[in-house]
Amino acid sequence: SAVISQKPSRDICQRGTSLTIQCQVDSQVTMMFWYRQQPGQSLTLIATANQGSEATYESGFVIDKFPISRPNLTFSTLTVSNMSPEDSSIYLCSARLSPGGYEQYFGPGTRLTVT
Amino acid sequence: EDQVTQSPEALRLQEGESSSLNCSYTVSGLRGLFWYRQDPGKGPEFLFTLYSAGEEKEKERLKATLTKKESFLHITAPKPEDSATYLCAVQLTGGGNKLTFGTGTQLKVEL
Repeated sequence: SAVISQKPSRDICQRGTSLTIQCQVDSQVTMMFWYRQQPGQSLTLIATANQGSEATYESGFVIDKFPISRPNLTFSTLTVSNMSPEDSSIYLCSARLSPGGYEQYFGPGTRLTVT
Repeated sequence: EDQVTQSPEALRLQEGESSSLNCSYTVSGLRGLFWYRQDPGKGPEFLFTLYSAGEEKEKERLKATLTKKESFLHITAPKPEDSATYLCAVQLTGGGNKLTFGTGTQLKVEL
């Protein structure tokens, strides 16, 4: 499995501001994803980060609120824009390591609190 | 609507007391079912992938099985270090790469 790191590990932000979360994988991967885990709930997919093209967003998530970049095969960023307290959550990136295997490996998460 | 339901929500075991966690799914077409372990403050750690009914996978004290409607994670002679939240997730045929997660079973193993 690959090592997946995220920065920052946690942050406290004021409403109306934006935060960019970075995800770095220690090897080239075919696919990268961003999930949200709200307090006491399970993981929900926000979007698939596509290398060299626009991300693919799930229903209920939009690019203006969660812009995503993926400039190469090992790195991606997720921005949480114009934050409100409802955005307080853990944000996780994941990666699918090989074309043949469907399992995803997760980073440690970024715990975001919006005040 | 595709659904993944895990039970129980929480489980308390004595060390050495074997038990099973359940993940039932109602989906249009299953490509794969995944089990993860999540410790507090950490991201999910991949445990197993199951692709077809009758398949079994084992790792140390854990054994995962799959039927057409549900999966079980059997924990044999658990130890306190097995305490964690166990998540199952499904990937659907024709559903792209999305994993749909259940809400998890919080396992506590006591001495």
